[in-house]
Amino acid sequence: QVQLVESGGGLVKPGGSLRLSCAASGFTFSDYYMSWIRQAPGKGLEWVSYISSSGSTIYYADSVKGRFTISRDNAKNSLYLQMNSLRAEDTAVYYCARAMGYYDSSGYEIDYFDYWGQGTLVTVSS
Amino acid sequence: DIQMTQSPSSLSASVGDRVTITCRASQSISSYLNWYQQKPGKAPKLLIYAASSLQSGVPSRFSGSGSGTDFTLTISSLQPEDFATYYCQQSYSTPPGITFGQGTRLEIK
Repeated sequence: QVQLVESGGGLVKPGGSLRLSCAASGFTFSDYYMSWIRQAPGKGLEWVSYISSSGSTIYYADSVKGRFTISRDNAKNSLYLQMNSLRAEDTAVYYCARAMGYYDSSGYEIDYFDYWGQGTLVTVSS
Repeated sequence: DIQMTQSPSSLSASVGDRVTITCRASQSISSYLNWYQQKPGKAPKLLIYAASSLQSGVPSRFSGSGSGTDFTLTISSLQPEDFATYYCQQSYSTPPGITFGQGTRLEIK
């Protein structure tokens, strides 16, 4: 069965860095786009970033652009999120999710997220 | 960015009730609308994709409808395990603008 297990969360000071990992199993990881989605305490869901199956196409939400870097290692079935220059407003549970999509005239587009990990909490505080 | 607005923000209902949650997009998104259920302390779970397609394993009491700007999620007969928060999500404006609604909390009356 599909499993996604995040790790790497914790307490970090403002301006600090953290690297999240997501270990995937139960499916052919290299065939799928993957995404990070976060949820601040008591708040709704916010899409953060996604990466294509090969790693060649990457997008970020404006709120993290220039500070966060998504990457993947298909040989290790792993997804990563390097978070730099962290701010208090980055405090959230971070989920990795498998993305399903479709092809249109623009190419492949992300549509929905069919499997999610259990999440890892990142707290940015002094 | 396309804004997604859910109504109501919270809702009280009883086991056996028929419940409808609405999601409105700030512009037409065709049928690129998905619904998720989230229970406290758990990850979201996909219920409905492409506005009306039921995800595998999801009970048939859940259904989705709509196109353009107005969408609904209906639970035909509430079960105790359905009390949760529900989110809509649009995928029309990708890349990169995937956006979620603010959520609808469904509580026991």
